[in-house]
Amino acid sequence: GQNIDQPTEMTATEGAIVQINCTYQTSGFNGLFWYQQHAGEAPTFLSYNVLDGLEEKGRFSSFLSRSKGYSYLLLKELQMKDSASYLCAVLGGSYQLTFGKGTKLSVIP
Amino acid sequence: IAGITQAPTSQILAAGRRMTLRCTQDMRHNAMYWYRQDLGLGLRLIHYSNTAGTTGKGEVPDGYSVSRANTDDFPLTLASAVPSQTSVYFCASSDRAGSGDTQYFGPGTRLTVL
Repeated sequence: GQNIDQPTEMTATEGAIVQINCTYQTSGFNGLFWYQQHAGEAPTFLSYNVLDGLEEKGRFSSFLSRSKGYSYLLLKELQMKDSASYLCAVLGGSYQLTFGKGTKLSVIP
Repeated sequence: IAGITQAPTSQILAAGRRMTLRCTQDMRHNAMYWYRQDLGLGLRLIHYSNTAGTTGKGEVPDGYSVSRANTDDFPLTLASAVPSQTSVYFCASSDRAGSGDTQYFGPGTRLTVL
């Protein structure tokens, strides 16, 4: 079976740094994705990790530890437009994506 | 058309009625997917198609059917809608199934079954 856990909600201040954690237990592993979803909109791709380590892309970075079943998404220099839900998704042994329930991030002034 | 389109944008449907949600992509992606998203449950895979002419069942396939007659179109049919099928439905596509290929999502269809 697949189990993906991430916090339900987080709040952070504009300009700050926030880390959203994701832990997973899956049957097979072929990579981990992070998606951003603004309210009422479709998910959009942020990052993909398949090897251990940190992937940096502008203000966003994503880290993976396969041995620990753990990933995090790091958002730097937070902006109001970063208020959204962040979805962690694991590509399992069957090459199907299983999504966590998402973390709703609120950025406050 | 650029990317993935879905129709209708939203629909209110009486229970027991038949409904087809349409999905079209113009990226020539081989793989396509249907998800439903419910509050507190996240995105769940309904059906998928790795290539034209093939389909497979996801996590929550009951009450839904799909077909993949060509590369571009992947309609989802509710044969006899029930209130528990009230949800937001997203279609997605990727260049090929597996191997970490990124899935790109359509704008979604908000379906209410009364």
